[in-house]
Amino acid sequence: QVNLLQSGAALVKPGASVKLSCKASGYTFTDYYIHWVKQSHGKSLEWIGYINPNSGYTNYNEKFKSKATLTVDKSTNTAYMELSRLTSEDSATYYCTRSAYWGQGTLVTVSS
Amino acid sequence: DIQMTQSPSFLSASVGDRVTINCKASQNINKYLNWYQQKLGEAPKRLIYNTNNLQTGIPSRFSGSGSGTDYTLTISSLQPEDFATYFCLQHNSFPLTFGSGTKLEIK
Repeated sequence: QVNLLQSGAALVKPGASVKLSCKASGYTFTDYYIHWVKQSHGKSLEWIGYINPNSGYTNYNEKFKSKATLTVDKSTNTAYMELSRLTSEDSATYYCTRSAYWGQGTLVTVSS
Repeated sequence: DIQMTQSPSFLSASVGDRVTINCKASQNINKYLNWYQQKLGEAPKRLIYNTNNLQTGIPSRFSGSGSGTDYTLTISSLQPEDFATYFCLQHNSFPLTFGSGTKLEIK
């Protein structure tokens, strides 16, 4: 069965970076794009971008182009998203998703 | 970017009721519209894809319809486990965009 297992919650200081992971299992990792989605507390969802695990090609929402960097490690079937220059506006739950399948989410809290 | 206007934002209903939730796109999205259910503390769950295709394992009381810019999610007879927040997502063009959500509450 398809499973996307995300890394645990992160508490990070303003100005720092954080790298979230999403480990895929139950399917051929390189056959499906991985998308990342942001959900601020109690609010709607925002699409950050996707990565093609086979080629490494990425497509970003313009809003997140200078904030997020998507990568993959094909040897471990893991997708990563690095968020840089964090501010309080980046505090949110971040999900990785492959069509109908979603990770459990990673809560990122930015606080000094 | 395509704007998705979802309505209503809040909906109060009773078990057994028939309810509809709407999403209006700012331009034609060619039926590339998905519906998701999200319960508190959980990831979204896809209910419907491409307007009217029921995701495997989702009860048949959920259905979707629409075309062009206007789309609807219908729950034919509400069950206690259906009280949640619902979102639409257009995947016709990038950036993908979501509706603002409908919180379905027990009357």
